[in-house]
Amino acid sequence: GAGVSQSPRYKVAKRGQDVALRCDPISGHVSLFWYQQALGQGPEFLTYFQNEAQLDKSGLPSDRFFAERPEGSVSTLKIQRTQQEDSAVYLCASSLASGGLTYEQYFGPGTRLTVT
Amino acid sequence: TQLLEQSPQFLSIQEGENLTVYCNSSSVFSSLQWYRQEPGEGPVLLVTVVTGGEVKKLKRLTFQFGDARKDSSLHITAAQPGDTGLYLCAGAGDKIIFGKGTRLHILP
Repeated sequence: GAGVSQSPRYKVAKRGQDVALRCDPISGHVSLFWYQQALGQGPEFLTYFQNEAQLDKSGLPSDRFFAERPEGSVSTLKIQRTQQEDSAVYLCASSLASGGLTYEQYFGPGTRLTVT
Repeated sequence: TQLLEQSPQFLSIQEGENLTVYCNSSSVFSSLQWYRQEPGEGPVLLVTVVTGGEVKKLKRLTFQFGDARKDSSLHITAAQPGDTGLYLCAGAGDKIIFGKGTRLHILP
């Protein structure tokens, strides 16, 4: 069966450009998570959706970061006016369960963003 | 702020040896997960432990959750080159917190 897919897999942006990263979760998965993984680090939580509701966005590093999941399936992470410090791998994960953050997450392969 | 410290950061051992990696925190977690991540891929869940003192075995891998639910260990018996990868622990509290990982390299 299809897993979590992310596109593009690689993105190079010039500083100041806007980017949009897409996540297609596993069909029927209620929860969706975005993480940022810097080189040599573990993933850091950015935001969490339960269906279309964004229940936690406390990890978004600045107001340049915006995420949406309008129909409760596909999600987009948008970064405005990219900066070099935004360079990282952005991981998306989905989970079948709702109501908490303690359930198995299935991760996509990530989008590697490089800001030049 | 909840933090998860993983040790060692790097480990390179010969095939057939045993090893243990650790995940420690001053915070209590409702559950703890271990993942393995290969280059260019997302993390893949290995196990979830939820009860203090719980021990789970997955073939040659043994996972233990501390009694106080603040720490965990992963023990690999007779390591094989296929075990090479980045091992991440993640604790679930108010949100999921990941450690920085242990990069394991098994030499054939």
